[in-house]
Amino acid sequence: DIQMTQSPSSLSASVGDRVTITCRASQSISSYLNWYQQKPGKAPNLLIYAASSLQNGVPSRFSGSGSGTDFTLTISSLQPDDFAAYYCQQGYDSPWTFGQGTYVEIK
Amino acid sequence: EVQLVESGGGLVQPGGSLRLSCGASGFSLSNFGVNWVRQAPGKGLEWVSYISSSGTTIYYADSVKGRFTISKDTAKNSLYLQMNSLRAEDTAVYYCARGSTMVRGVLKPYFDYWGQGTLVTVSS
Repeated sequence: DIQMTQSPSSLSASVGDRVTITCRASQSISSYLNWYQQKPGKAPNLLIYAASSLQNGVPSRFSGSGSGTDFTLTISSLQPDDFAAYYCQQGYDSPWTFGQGTYVEIK
Repeated sequence: EVQLVESGGGLVQPGGSLRLSCGASGFSLSNFGVNWVRQAPGKGLEWVSYISSSGTTIYYADSVKGRFTISKDTAKNSLYLQMNSLRAEDTAVYYCARGSTMVRGVLKPYFDYWGQGTLVTVSS
């Protein structure tokens, strides 16, 4: 199975900050990397697919980059609505695995 | 509007069985593959199972293989997960999620629509 490792596991940031979350795959997954946001008690919401494609309706302050084994999710200017958990997921090979999550908290 | 609505969760004893349902609207299960993804309390996400639009391709996570069975009824546009021999570690919120992107004929999914989830608790 492909292991997905996110860092950091949690971070504290202020509104307006630039936030970067990284995700590393245990083997190359080309660009088959997706990012989700999840708020407490809610289902995950797709933000980015294929490493850098913004899902319809997602604000442009979210962006993704990377290929191979190393990927990044960036929030250019953190907004109050962005405090949540973020997960990466590889779509390269079954079983489709997720990272352990990064919890973005208010500073 | 695409919607997925799960039902069927509840409390079950270890070794017991439960059948989850997921009703889809706004799209046809005949045209899209769908998945079950679960999340144990306070934990991360774990993909569980996938069924293709035709129903001919099915995948399971090793953790549920031989115990869970995914199926669908295209006439009812509904997805199911039959869960047998349940264990405490199967306790989780179970989500159905649409996801069946094909790249040059190979499945490379992302999950673009999710239901609200249904809680399964396995405990005596």
